Amino acid sequence: GDSVTQMEGPVTLSEEAFLTINCTYTATGYPSLFWYVQYPGEGLQLLLKATKADDKGSNKGFEATYRKETTSFHLEKGSVQVSDSAVYFCALSDQVRGSTLGRLYFGRGTQLTVWP
Amino acid sequence: DARVTQTPRDKVTEMGQEVTMRCQPILGHNTVFWYRQTMMQGLELLAYFRNRAPLDDSGMPKDRFSAEMPDATLATLKIQPSEPRDSAVYFCASGLTRLAGGPTYNEQFFGPGTRLTVL
Repeated sequence: GDSVTQMEGPVTLSEEAFLTINCTYTATGYPSLFWYVQYPGEGLQLLLKATKADDKGSNKGFEATYRKETTSFHLEKGSVQVSDSAVYFCALSDQVRGSTLGRLYFGRGTQLTVWP
Repeated sequence: DARVTQTPRDKVTEMGQEVTMRCQPILGHNTVFWYRQTMMQGLELLAYFRNRAPLDDSGMPKDRFSAEMPDATLATLKIQPSEPRDSAVYFCASGLTRLAGGPTYNEQFFGPGTRLTVL
C-alpha cells in the first residue's frame, strides 16, 4: 500500500544553518506530495505541495522537489530561523478516482529545533 | 480567513464517561477527516467522510468510537465509554478535491485539535 518514510529526528541546528529532511514514498499510482508543519500546541498546516513529477513546491524559504525516479520529496531550507522550530510531516495523497479514497498518508514527523 | 474549528479545545474526563468532540469544516469543503495523535503512534486516521457519507472508519475502535456528520457544517466524534488509553489530541481536517491538470488530489486543512485526557 501507499506509505511515506521520513528521517527520524530530532534535528537540532543553529540559526542560519542549512536544513534537509529526507522523505521517500511508496505509491502504486501518481500521488501528490505534501509537507505539513506543526507548531507547538497547534494543528498541522500545509507548508508546500507538488502534484506531479519534477514539480517544485516552495513556501517561506522551504523547497521540495517531486522526484519520481528516486521516489523522494526532500524538504530543504537554506538558512533556518529559530521560528522554524516545529515538527515537519511528509505526506502523500492517493488519487481520487472511482473507489480510491484520496486520503493522506503521513510520515512519523521530524522534530526540528533551531538554536539562536 | 476560513478555518476548521474544533470544540472543546481541552477535555479532562474520568474513565467511563462519554466524550463528544465537534468539528466545523471549512464551508464548501466536501471531505472531513478525524485523526488521533499520540507520541507513541503518531498521527492515525480514524475515519473520514465525503459529501457527509462515511467512506472509511477502519482505523476506529468500533466498540466505543463513533463518527457522524449530521449536516455539512458539523462533524462529531464520540467515545463511549472513554478509557485512559484514549488520551490523545484529536484533530479534524477538511478538504476539497481539486483538479491539478491531471489526477485529483485532496488537500487537507487541520483544526487546532481537542486535547483529551481520560483519568
